[in-house]
Amino acid sequence: DTGVSQNPRHKITKRGQNVTFRCDPISEHNRLYWYRQTLGQGPEFLTYFQNEAQLEKSRLLSDRFSAERPKGSFSTLEIQRTEQGDSAMYLCASSPSGAGNTEAFFGQGTRLTVV
Amino acid sequence: AQTVTQSQPEMSVQEAETVTLSCTYDTSENNYYLFWYKQPPSRQMILVIRQEAYKQQNATENRFSVNFQKAAKSFSLKISDSQLGDTAMYFCAFLPSSGTYKYIFGTGTRLKVLA
Repeated sequence: DTGVSQNPRHKITKRGQNVTFRCDPISEHNRLYWYRQTLGQGPEFLTYFQNEAQLEKSRLLSDRFSAERPKGSFSTLEIQRTEQGDSAMYLCASSPSGAGNTEAFFGQGTRLTVV
Repeated sequence: AQTVTQSQPEMSVQEAETVTLSCTYDTSENNYYLFWYKQPPSRQMILVIRQEAYKQQNATENRFSVNFQKAAKSFSLKISDSQLGDTAMYFCAFLPSSGTYKYIFGTGTRLKVLA
């Protein structure tokens, strides 16, 4: 296993279009996270899954954003009716469950540019 | 709400020298974890070092060590014998141990190691 994989790496879209990103976590990692990182900022939490259950959602995740993790494996993050303010790096991370397993393993991210 | 503050947007250090990156945080939690993550240019974030708040002993990982001052809510990272490969963005992060898996990141410090 080579780590957390995110696709695509880059996406340019026109304002108003829908986009979907995919994240494949490290095998057997039960926890999966989505973060958003804008220029000059640290990653901001969007949502968290434990297996297929979405357990936490940030207020940043407006109704235009939806995330799924069917079957508790890969996850998708969809943004509907994109806006220029959605331009950012979208990071996915995963970690194994169990007390003390706090290290999050990050993917390289999907850079979204809305024009 | 928890916050993490990194007051040094950019730093530079000569190769083989020592540098200290600062981080302060605010929380009402008693038990939590603190992390330093490294994000090299165009590469994924990786964990550098982790500190558990209930442990008084400062964590050390090879050339990386922390100075954890719980009462002052301070968590600085010291890099000894700096290497060119240490050039990266460094993020301080906080994770409560109360059941949430929402990591709170600082805004980062861009470290450049000079030859």
